Amino acid sequence: DTGVSQDPRHKITKRGQNVTFRCDPISEHNRLYWYRQTLGQGPEFLTYFQNEAQLEKSRLLSDRFSAERPKGSFSTLEIQRTEQGDSAMYLCASSLSYSGTSGTDTQYFGPGTRLTVL
Amino acid sequence: GQNIDQPTEMTATEGAIVQINCTYQTSGFNGLFWYQQHAGEAPTFLSYNVLDGLEEKGRFSSFLSRSKGYSYLLLKELQMKDSASYLCAVKGVNFNKFYFGSGTKLNVKP
Repeated sequence: DTGVSQDPRHKITKRGQNVTFRCDPISEHNRLYWYRQTLGQGPEFLTYFQNEAQLEKSRLLSDRFSAERPKGSFSTLEIQRTEQGDSAMYLCASSLSYSGTSGTDTQYFGPGTRLTVL
Repeated sequence: GQNIDQPTEMTATEGAIVQINCTYQTSGFNGLFWYQQHAGEAPTFLSYNVLDGLEEKGRFSSFLSRSKGYSYLLLKELQMKDSASYLCAVKGVNFNKFYFGSGTKLNVKP
């Protein structure tokens, strides 16, 4: 199965430390999304890539957050100087969209990285 | 702004039918999606509506009325494994961003 994968699945860190998460999308998918989900809430959009270009960032994504997708394949999400409020599940999703059409563009999610900041 | 409302929690009996409603007010609309999410796991895609009407996929059906900003997910012949959260998501027109509701936690009882 070549679904969306994320690494690590769990991360515990101390406040003030930097963390980096990786997402490997479904291989032919050109769009990649990062979401954050807290308990009892739906996923909140963080950022979006079309191939290697980061096209949109949520205002939730403070300057401590940065995301890259250097070759249009895997993506990384880095959080600098973590705070306890950053504790959440970080979900990655990917989709396939053909140029000029919106299509279904169904997003398929990875298993997520659960971050706990102590 | 974006506003998507779903009931917080519902309970139903194994073998029964349950309808989970979703209302939305969004600045753009390019489709409505339903996802299932078991505790601690990623959301999995269930169904998609872009035009008004009913879409049926096995035990799951989803309905959309764009004029009313309303959708529902219908689950038939409930099974214990259907106990999960069900997320309603509206796809926006800008960069296909998804706006999720908070989810409806469905408890299926024997």
